[in-house]
Amino acid sequence: GENVEQHPSTLSVQEGDSAVIKCTYSDSASNYFPWYKQELGKGPQLIIDIRSNVGEKKDQRIAVTLNKTAKHFSLHITETQPEDSAVYFCAAGRILNSGYSTLTFGKGTMLLVSP
Amino acid sequence: NAGVTQTPKFRVLKTGQSMTLLCAQDMNHEYMYWYRQDPGMGLRLIHYSVGEGTTAKGEVPDGYNVSRLKKQNFLLGLESAAPSQTSVYFCASSYWGPESEGEQFFGPGTRLTVL
Repeated sequence: GENVEQHPSTLSVQEGDSAVIKCTYSDSASNYFPWYKQELGKGPQLIIDIRSNVGEKKDQRIAVTLNKTAKHFSLHITETQPEDSAVYFCAAGRILNSGYSTLTFGKGTMLLVSP
Repeated sequence: NAGVTQTPKFRVLKTGQSMTLLCAQDMNHEYMYWYRQDPGMGLRLIHYSVGEGTTAKGEVPDGYNVSRLKKQNFLLGLESAAPSQTSVYFCASSYWGPESEGEQFFGPGTRLTVL
């Protein structure tokens, strides 16, 4: 089955700095790579995702890059703000012709942004 | 829309007791999932369903049963609770269509403690 490794487990940055979280996956058939943000006491929420036919995707201060050859993908957050403090999960899975996806999640990165 | 709701929010059980966790979604999603979240382990898939009347095992199904009698509800049962099942349980749902790439929407979670 799929195995997703995520690093680092904790990341502390100053407000305004950039943060980078990295993930690797093992199954070359995986074609869908979402990132979820989980605030304290809440369920995870999708913040950005990327398909395997795309190398990079941006949404304002957030970007994700994918290297299929090396089987790794990364989340980049620029100009970090205190409200970015949360646990971030990467995941990998397959979007099948039938549409549904099962995801394998990384173990999470706790991001702390200090004012 | 309430999105994905979970009942109860908290529960304490004694070893050997049984209980059912209820997940409901009002988004008419075909696919539903149950995850457990343990410290340092990320989210692990217990069972999932690709439609009413169907269920399938995920990564960690032992000790759990599920049912999907109605499209909007997905029940997770513990027949004989064990301390190893102390965890936070998340339900999620998704759909596949022209405007969706399989994003999973998560509920707020149920915190279960087994003594």
